Amino acid sequence: EPEVTQTPSHQVTQMGQEVILRCVPISNHLYFYWYRQILGQKVEFLVSFYNNEISEKSEIFDDQFSVERPDGSNFTLKIRSTKLEDSAMYFCASSAGTGGKTGELFFGEGSRLTVL
Amino acid sequence: SQQGEEDPQALSIQEGENATMNCSYKTSINNLQWYRQNSGRGLVHLILIRSNEREKHSGRLRVTLDTSKKSSSLLITASRAADTASYFCATDAVTGRRALTFGSGTRLQVQP
Repeated sequence: EPEVTQTPSHQVTQMGQEVILRCVPISNHLYFYWYRQILGQKVEFLVSFYNNEISEKSEIFDDQFSVERPDGSNFTLKIRSTKLEDSAMYFCASSAGTGGKTGELFFGEGSRLTVL
Repeated sequence: SQQGEEDPQALSIQEGENATMNCSYKTSINNLQWYRQNSGRGLVHLILIRSNEREKHSGRLRVTLDTSKKSSSLLITASRAADTASYFCATDAVTGRRALTFGSGTRLQVQP
């Protein structure tokens, strides 16, 4: 069964360092997302990506964040200068998209980021 | 207030009992979805109910939607220890944010 894969599963970094989280969405999906979940809290939307550009972003997704689809398969989230409060589980998701309305999202297992 | 708030925050039941979780939201929606998350894992889609539907079933899951009250419920019948997880509702709003907005979840513990 097709699945969304994420790497690394866990990354520990020092405050101020750059981090890149990688995702391989399901191959025929058109919409890609990053969400994050601080431990024990709700799942928060960061950004959505369609047709090689950001289609929507939240207030969390500030200038320190960027996304890229460098080739036909990978979808990356970069945090330029990490802060302590960036420590969270980051989830990538993809969807086939159904008539412009958000359909079912398929999530990866997440990348746990710990900023020291 | 946030779109998609579940209650209760936590629920502990015995195996074989039914579990009911509720979700309230604030804006008009295209659809509402329920997801499950095992501890430390990714979210898994359970069921989607469209705004023109009132009830939907999938195996032991029953979802209802009341758009006049802006609320939904998820019923898991004959629960099993393996149902232990967090359950989140997520809304696809008609206006405003297009991406799914998740609630804060209900942590379900099913005691064997």
